[in-house]
Amino acid sequence: AQKITQTQPGMFVQEKEAVTLDCTYDTSDQSYGLFWYKQPSSGEMIFLIYQGSYDEQNATEGRYSLNFQKARKSANLVISASQLGDSAMYFCASGGNNQGGKLIFGQGTELSVKP
Amino acid sequence: EAQVTQNPRYLITVTGKKLTVTCSQNMNHEYMSWYRQDPGLGLRQIYYSMNVEVTDKGDVPEGYKVSRKEKRNFPLILESPSPNQTSLYFCASSRTSGWVQGEQYFGPGTRLTVT
Repeated sequence: AQKITQTQPGMFVQEKEAVTLDCTYDTSDQSYGLFWYKQPSSGEMIFLIYQGSYDEQNATEGRYSLNFQKARKSANLVISASQLGDSAMYFCASGGNNQGGKLIFGQGTELSVKP
Repeated sequence: EAQVTQNPRYLITVTGKKLTVTCSQNMNHEYMSWYRQDPGLGLRQIYYSMNVEVTDKGDVPEGYKVSRKEKRNFPLILESPSPNQTSLYFCASSRTSGWVQGEQYFGPGTRLTVT
């Protein structure tokens, strides 16, 4: 079974600084995908970034990048130049070719950006 | 605008009173699923549907029913709600099994309280 581990329940970062949110995954699937979602206090789930297991380059989307280290089974999210609006819960998730389309989510990291 | 809609957004009900949470997507997606989110547990899949008339259980299906009579709609039915079903519910859709396409679109969430 797949498992996602986010070891940082809460983090603080100063505005305009970069921050890394950790995510490790455990899967036996040969093909899989890794996702990051942002959940602000309003509750909606906002897709941020995706990395396929066969993608050789790390994914980037604007200020978000995914530091994918396949051998270490880690998929850390890096947010550059943090903004106050980045304060939210962040969830790492994975899906695999044996999971029937299901995403497995970690427990989340609550990020607070200080002015 | 491409979106997944859910109704109602908020619901307070009493134990045993049947309820339905509707979900609709306008992207012609084949794959739809329901998740529930509880503090400290992340999101867990309740049911999913690969296509019309094809549904299957996720990780926490007890106490829930679903149907997929049309491609765009995937209602979640609680025949006899209990307080342990108090949660935040998300409907999600994607073109096929979510992870392959790199994204699952989430609805805005339904906050359900069962007293």
